[in-house]
Amino acid sequence: AQSVTQLDSQVPVFEEAPVELRCNYSSSVSVYLFWYVQYPNQGLQLLLKYLSGSTLVKGINGFEAEFNKSQTSFHLRKPSVHISDTAEYFCAVTLGGGKLIFGQGTELSVKP
Amino acid sequence: DTEVTQTPKHLVMGMTNKKSLKCEQHMGHRAMYWYKQKAKKPPELMFVYSYEKLSINESVPSRFSPECPNSSLLNLHLHALQPEDSALYLCASSWAGEETQYFGPGTRLLVL
Repeated sequence: AQSVTQLDSQVPVFEEAPVELRCNYSSSVSVYLFWYVQYPNQGLQLLLKYLSGSTLVKGINGFEAEFNKSQTSFHLRKPSVHISDTAEYFCAVTLGGGKLIFGQGTELSVKP
Repeated sequence: DTEVTQTPKHLVMGMTNKKSLKCEQHMGHRAMYWYKQKAKKPPELMFVYSYEKLSINESVPSRFSPECPNSSLLNLHLHALQPEDSALYLCASSWAGEETQYFGPGTRLLVL
């Protein structure tokens, strides 16, 4: 069975510092991977996705993620965060067929 | 345009009421989804429609009744809900056979 583990429930960081949000997945077959962001009182917005091809994926708002098959990881990175990046971030995986499996989420808190 | 709209934004209902949530997309997507999200938790899949037919029901209680009247519209009919059903209800859509789901802003439901 698939599962997704987001290793940090909360990540506090100062403005303009780099950040990495960690995501590991468990699956014995090929998967598709996603990062979504949820701002307070809003729905989920797609940040980036890995379906196939290059393992370094660039998304919106300056975020990028690297798919590492050997380590079954899909960590999200941003070189310099802004106050406006404060939000909940969800990593998700699917084998296909419409069933997205989400991690528990990481609350990114950017402080001035 | 990757917009999914949901109405109403907020809904308060009593346990004996009947109400409906509405979701609409005009991106030509043929798969649509309902998720339930409790506070500080990831979204949980409830239903999947593919080409207007119910393809996945994640053992959701019968007091939730989905309907897909056409390829652009998805409804969730609510009847005799319980206070524990209070949550953010998210709709999503995707091209059939494509794994990227686009989410709406959600309806925040409070059951009294």
